[in-house]
Amino acid sequence: DTAVSQTPKYLVTQMGNDKSIKCEQNLGHDTMYWYKQDSKKFLKIMFSYNNKELIINETVPNRFSPKSPDKAHLNLHINSLELGDSAVYFCASSSPGGMNTEAFFGQGTRLTVV
Amino acid sequence: GESVGLHLPTLSVQEGDNSIINCAYSNSASDYFIWYKQESGKGPQFIIDIRSNMDKRQGQRVTVLLNKTVKHLSLQIAATQPGDSAVYFCAEFYGDDKIIFGKGTRLHILP
Repeated sequence: DTAVSQTPKYLVTQMGNDKSIKCEQNLGHDTMYWYKQDSKKFLKIMFSYNNKELIINETVPNRFSPKSPDKAHLNLHINSLELGDSAVYFCASSSPGGMNTEAFFGQGTRLTVV
Repeated sequence: GESVGLHLPTLSVQEGDNSIINCAYSNSASDYFIWYKQESGKGPQFIIDIRSNMDKRQGQRVTVLLNKTVKHLSLQIAATQPGDSAVYFCAEFYGDDKIIFGKGTRLHILP
């Protein structure tokens, strides 16, 4: 009964490919997020969705596009992958209080672009 | 640049001793802070939070101290155990639902 689940856990792909990472939460939360963690363990928010609507879109390349079919899912699609996209991507969700409440994180997806 | 940072990237502590992990932030408008623990291969896990109208909050074996005057946050872990080995992040929250994480401090427990 994983609260926030991401798939796949590992993803190795070539430059130029298009890939998606899926995220699902069964906590009934209204807000979901995508974070990128670089090799130095630095976590940076990329997107935030509340009830299927984008509320935060940090400065990320437009090759990254989040898609939320319903409030339990927030998928991340990446076009034309580049070497610099290699990182661990975390999905998270939080309760109706928004970001000022505890956020639950998925296990992460390690993306390696070769 | 990012406004949240940590003083020490790696901290080694003897098992049973207390650990103190420090964090500096620069945004005086930040009104909420969280400490996260990230074990190897896992996602960040909430440890404890504190709002800006408080200067101390205690949990089970953990205490967070907030000094708004010098924009400093610390996490104290009492009687450090092997299971405390992880990377610890502080995070600050401010307007527009923004959250910024620091770079993390790795806590290493010595036997």
